[in-house]
Amino acid sequence: SQTIHQWPATLVQPVGSPLSLECTVEGTSNPNLYWYRQAAGRGLQLLFYSVGIGQISSEVPQNLSASRPQDRQFILSSKKLLLSDSGFYLCAWKGGNSNQPQHFGDGTRLSIL
Amino acid sequence: GNSVTQMEGPVTLSEEAFLTINCTYTATGYPSLFWYVQYPGEGLQLLLKATKADDKGSNKGFEATYRKETTSFHLEKGSVQVSDSAVYFCALSEGGNQFYFGTGTSLTVIP
Repeated sequence: SQTIHQWPATLVQPVGSPLSLECTVEGTSNPNLYWYRQAAGRGLQLLFYSVGIGQISSEVPQNLSASRPQDRQFILSSKKLLLSDSGFYLCAWKGGNSNQPQHFGDGTRLSIL
Repeated sequence: GNSVTQMEGPVTLSEEAFLTINCTYTATGYPSLFWYVQYPGEGLQLLLKATKADDKGSNKGFEATYRKETTSFHLEKGSVQVSDSAVYFCALSEGGNQFYFGTGTSLTVIP
């Protein structure tokens, strides 16, 4: 069966520091991969998605970037964090171009001080 | 374009009450529809889905029927429990790369 792993689960970082959040999927190949951010008490904001290695689509211009160095690995990065980057970050995968559901990781709670 | 609108929360119910969370959608084609549940501090879990008109998705006592004529996919449960307290998201996909999520409805069930 397929599983998705996100880490770390929680992270506290100072303003201006770099960021790297990692997401990996097991048990499937060539998935679509997604990064979302969820601010406290708010809905989901799609940040990036990827349909293949090295292919990244950015939905919202901001202080973050994403990379997909391997088929089942998706990384969210920042060179310098802002206070507004605080939130709950969720990674998700979906089986290619289909009407199948997205499956989510457990999320990373990022707090910027 | 595609969009999902769900009822504003928060919703507070007593245990064993009937639950309805409204969801309507706008789509250019024939989407699949989904309900997700998010428990505090966790990611989203797929609760149920329906892939075509008149399909009924069901899971854990929750049900939702895909109504094309009213473009709706309302979530219902006959008797809620304290453990159902969570945030519920309605979503649609037309098979492309993107999902469209509602803003979420927070449900609190009190004993």
